[in-house]
Amino acid sequence: KNQVEQSPQSLIILEGKNCTLQCNYTVSPFSNLRWYKQDTGRGPVSLTIMTFSENTKSNGRYTATLDADTKQSSLHITASQLSDSASYICVVRSMGGGNKLTFGTGTQLKVEL
Amino acid sequence: DAGVIQSPRHEVTEMGQEVTLRCKPISGHDYLFWYRQTMMRGLELLIYFNNNVPIDDSGMPEDRFSAKMPNASFSTLKIQPSEPRDSAVYFCASSSGTSETSYNEQFFGPGTRLTVL
Repeated sequence: KNQVEQSPQSLIILEGKNCTLQCNYTVSPFSNLRWYKQDTGRGPVSLTIMTFSENTKSNGRYTATLDADTKQSSLHITASQLSDSASYICVVRSMGGGNKLTFGTGTQLKVEL
Repeated sequence: DAGVIQSPRHEVTEMGQEVTLRCKPISGHDYLFWYRQTMMRGLELLIYFNNNVPIDDSGMPEDRFSAKMPNASFSTLKIQPSEPRDSAVYFCASSSGTSETSYNEQFFGPGTRLTVL
C-alpha cells in the first residue's frame, strides 16, 4: 500500500532558526514528490517538485532533498520567519496512469519570536 | 487569473440537510479535483474530472456524496443527507493536464469549511 509518513507531526522554533522536516514514502513506482505549504485557512501551495534524478532543489529559503534509494525526502527551512508558520505537506505521485497522488498528513510548524 | 474559486467559504448546517459546495477552476485547466481535509486523515482525494468527465470517484465515501461538472468552468459537490462526520474542509483544485510523469501542479482553492451539527 502506498504511504507517505511525515515527521515531526508538529514543531515550534524561534524566529531566525533553521529546521528540517522529514518525509518517508513507500509509493512505487515513483514519479515525483512535491512539498506544499498550507497557511491556516488557505489551500496548499506548491513549494518544490522533485523527480527521481534530482537530489536537491531550492526555492528561496526552502531546500528540498530527495534520496530515491531510501525513499526519503526532507525540507530544510533556513533563517525561519514568522510567515513560515504553516502546515507542510509531502505529496508523492506514482506512475501507472491516472492521478495517483499519496498525501502525507503534514508537519505543523510554528515560528515564534 | 483569480485562481480557483470556491463558495461558500463556511457552511454550517444541521444533520440531514442537503449541502452543495461550488467550485470554479482556473480558466484553461482541464482537470478538476475535490478533496476533503480533516485533522485525523489529512487530505483525501474524493473525485476528479478530466474535460468535465468523472474519471475516478473511488474516494467518494458513500452514496450520500455526489459531484457534477456540467461545464469547464463549474463543478459542485453535494452531500445529501449530511451527517456530523462529514464536518471537514473541502478543497477544490485544478490543473492543466496530467500524465504518468506529470509535473503539472494542482492549484487549490481556499476551501469550504463545513460544519454539520
